Amino acid sequence: QKEVEQDPGPLSVPEGAIVSLNCTYSNSAFQYFMWYRQYSRKGPELLMYTYSSGNKEDGRFTAQVDKSSKYISLFIRDSQPSDSATYLCAMSYLQGAQKLVFGQGTRLTINP
Amino acid sequence: GAVVSQHPSWVICKSGTSVKIECRSLDFQATTMFWYRQFPKQSLMLMATSNEGSKATYEQGVEKDKFLINHASLTLSTLTVTSAHPEDSSFYICSARAAARAANSPLHFGNGTRLTVT
Repeated sequence: QKEVEQDPGPLSVPEGAIVSLNCTYSNSAFQYFMWYRQYSRKGPELLMYTYSSGNKEDGRFTAQVDKSSKYISLFIRDSQPSDSATYLCAMSYLQGAQKLVFGQGTRLTINP
Repeated sequence: GAVVSQHPSWVICKSGTSVKIECRSLDFQATTMFWYRQFPKQSLMLMATSNEGSKATYEQGVEKDKFLINHASLTLSTLTVTSAHPEDSSFYICSARAAARAANSPLHFGNGTRLTVT
């Protein structure tokens, strides 16, 4: 079993829709949770960074962490074609260890 | 802030040759940089942790003699793929965290280097 599971998609939705992306994980020691966006042939770009359980909002993006269920989510409101990319969840379980464990990434396409 | 630059962005080399990839932190100092490898439609896999002024730490299964890492300054780490073979063809990405920031602050990534070995 992988430490972090993420549905690779592809996921295709119409412009303006609310997008929900999710990851599950098996290691309860994970404390830091991140979402990265990666465009084709580019490096990952940090979108959201959260610690422990709870919600965090930044513009059209909301990240949720439910440590009791070992489940994290990223919501994108009013999705735009420019949001089309691969979204990777990542997490780390040792403060200061700096090692990230990534999900497989979900390919998202927003159709105009 | 927190810009990480990689060079080259794309390289083709012949089998048996060596290729060097540079990773620079442009607006901050990084005592630690990380090298990842990503195959098509797959996630990033950590290869090694590059520490300024000391030996790199390699992940299990990564050959340290094949993937040479040098972190000679607080703004530069290099990855050299030695005696490259077609199976080394991949997308190599580096990341770094500002030395002055908290150890649990997020990593920032370079734009990657696509290596094709013919």
